[in-house]
Amino acid sequence: DIQMTQSPSSLSASVGDRVTITCRASQGISNSLAWYQQKPGKAPKVLLFEASRLASGVPSRFSGSGSGTDFTLTINSLQPEDFATYYCQQYYSAPPITFGPGTKVDIK
Amino acid sequence: QVQLVESGGGVVQPGRSLRLSCVASGFTFSTYGMHWVRQPPGKGLEWVALIWPDGSTQHYGDSVKGRFTISRENSQRTLYLQMNSLRAEDTAVYYCARENQWEPNAYDFWGQGTLVTVSS
Repeated sequence: DIQMTQSPSSLSASVGDRVTITCRASQGISNSLAWYQQKPGKAPKVLLFEASRLASGVPSRFSGSGSGTDFTLTINSLQPEDFATYYCQQYYSAPPITFGPGTKVDIK
Repeated sequence: QVQLVESGGGVVQPGRSLRLSCVASGFTFSTYGMHWVRQPPGKGLEWVALIWPDGSTQHYGDSVKGRFTISRENSQRTLYLQMNSLRAEDTAVYYCARENQWEPNAYDFWGQGTLVTVSS
């Protein structure tokens, strides 16, 4: 099974900051990676498919990059509604589908 | 608009069974793969099971294999998860999720979740 790791596990940032989250796969997954945002008590919401393709309705301040084993999610000019937990998920070798452990972004 | 509404969660004793349902609307249910994903309280996401659009194929995570069964009734636009021999570690919010049409095994819509608590 492909294992996913994320770093950092949490970070504190201010409105307007640029935030970068890293996701690493235990083996190459091409660009078969999705990113999700989850707010407390809510279901996850997809942000990006194929590592860098924005899902419908997602603001352009969110971007993704990477291929193979290393990926990043960047949030430009962090907004108050962006404080949440972010998960990466590989779907290259599935099943099983595997998620990263999450990165919590909170207010500094 | 796409909606997925789960139900059936609750408190159940270890070793007992529970069946979850997920009713879909706003899209052609019979043409999408569907999944169950769970999240223990305060923890991350864990994939549970998937089923193909026509119901012909199912796959399970190792932690539930042999105990849980995913099924669907396309005429009723409903996804099910039959959970048997429940354990304390099955306590979680269970989400149903729809596969993206162009990215199989990635999710574009999720239900609001239903909480299952396994406790004596």
